[in-house]
Amino acid sequence: GQSLEQPSEVTAVEGAIVQINCTYQTSGFYGLSWYQQHDGGAPTFLSYNALDGLEETGRFSSFLSRSDSYGYLLLQELQMKDSASYFCAVLMNRDDKIIFGKGTRLHILP
Amino acid sequence: DAGVIQSPRHEVTEMGQEVTLRCKPISGHDYLFWYRQTMMRGLELLIYFNNNVPIDDSGMPEDRFSAKMPNASFSTLKIQPSEPRDSAVYFCASSTGTGHPGELFFGEGSRLTVL
Repeated sequence: GQSLEQPSEVTAVEGAIVQINCTYQTSGFYGLSWYQQHDGGAPTFLSYNALDGLEETGRFSSFLSRSDSYGYLLLQELQMKDSASYFCAVLMNRDDKIIFGKGTRLHILP
Repeated sequence: DAGVIQSPRHEVTEMGQEVTLRCKPISGHDYLFWYRQTMMRGLELLIYFNNNVPIDDSGMPEDRFSAKMPNASFSTLKIQPSEPRDSAVYFCASSTGTGHPGELFFGEGSRLTVL
């Protein structure tokens, strides 16, 4: 079977940095994506890594190590609006098949 | 440009009734996905289509679930008969398939409650 493991909850302080980890075990792997979902809303795409290394997009960065089947999302200068759930997702094949982890709920304290 | 459009946004029905959820993908997107989200199971991929053809329906829970995509701008997910355990948020998503790997565009979801 397929598995994506990420912590269920993480708490951090406004203005700080937080890292959300994801390990995966899937029958196919083309890349790792991250999505954000606010309560009552739809998941929205944040980033995608196909190759090893760090990708930076503003306050958010995403890292991938294919040899370790591991990635993380790094959020800097945390703002209250970053309170949401974050999902890692594996692109499994060329046909865009994407499966999701169960998500990490990020709580931000003032 | 309009995003992925789903209807209804909310549906409350009784056990045994037929439920039909509808989705209009973003124009020009070749792939359409149906996901189900619950607290216990997270976001589960039910089925996805490429150019209106079902590619993988291995996530469809049982024969009570069926999905169709009669044309590039419309898809339905049907549950017949519905059961309380089908209560969930059902998301439709679409993607271009090329150029933007790993990026899905989600609709706002259809929240289904089966009593």
